[in-house]
Amino acid sequence: DAKTTQPTSMDCAEGRAANLPCNHSTISGNEYVYWYRQIHSQGPQYIIHGLKNNETNEMASLIITEDRKSSTLILPHATLRDTAVYYCIATESGTYKYIFGTGTRLKVLA
Amino acid sequence: NAGVTQTPKFRVLKTGQSMTLLCAQDMNHEYMYWYRQDPGMGLRLIHYSVGEGTTAKGEVPDGYNVSRLKKQNFLLGLESAAPSQTSVYFCASRLAGGSYNEQFFGPGTRLTVL
Repeated sequence: DAKTTQPTSMDCAEGRAANLPCNHSTISGNEYVYWYRQIHSQGPQYIIHGLKNNETNEMASLIITEDRKSSTLILPHATLRDTAVYYCIATESGTYKYIFGTGTRLKVLA
Repeated sequence: NAGVTQTPKFRVLKTGQSMTLLCAQDMNHEYMYWYRQDPGMGLRLIHYSVGEGTTAKGEVPDGYNVSRLKKQNFLLGLESAAPSQTSVYFCASRLAGGSYNEQFFGPGTRLTVL
């Protein structure tokens, strides 16, 4: 599994877009990028995943660079409820496990 | 659907005591996982199972045993608890195969070993 690197913490104003970067420079061609978040001490919650193309769902957008060495999770209109730790994970399709890392602690400010 | 449930939610043990954590899922998922999360850290995989009757070691398996006698249940055992096993334990499950392999997590079990 590719190692991922994320900033330790970020702040974002409520209503603004939150852009969370992730570096995965050693990612291989068949490794997907997944994003999960963990609110307080709850179990992690899936947000989005992608391989090569940009992806969007009702929660967020995922922008993956052409060389696939980095990606950005975008929360288009952050709310206070989006305050959480966000984990970027690279893992092989169909593999049994994720390597979580320490994630980015996002704080949305009123 | 209840999703993934964990029993108990909290537990305090003395060093050397044993206990079993139960994880149950009602989504008919083939794969199940046990993670631990220490303060300020990400999740680390302890053991996992890819089907009934099968188990395998993850990143940090020492001091733990697991069993998957029924597809819907995954048990994590601590035979002789140590203070280093104080942590929050999360169970997860997912469908087998495919490129879309989202894991569904339980609410966690907070274990303190004195």
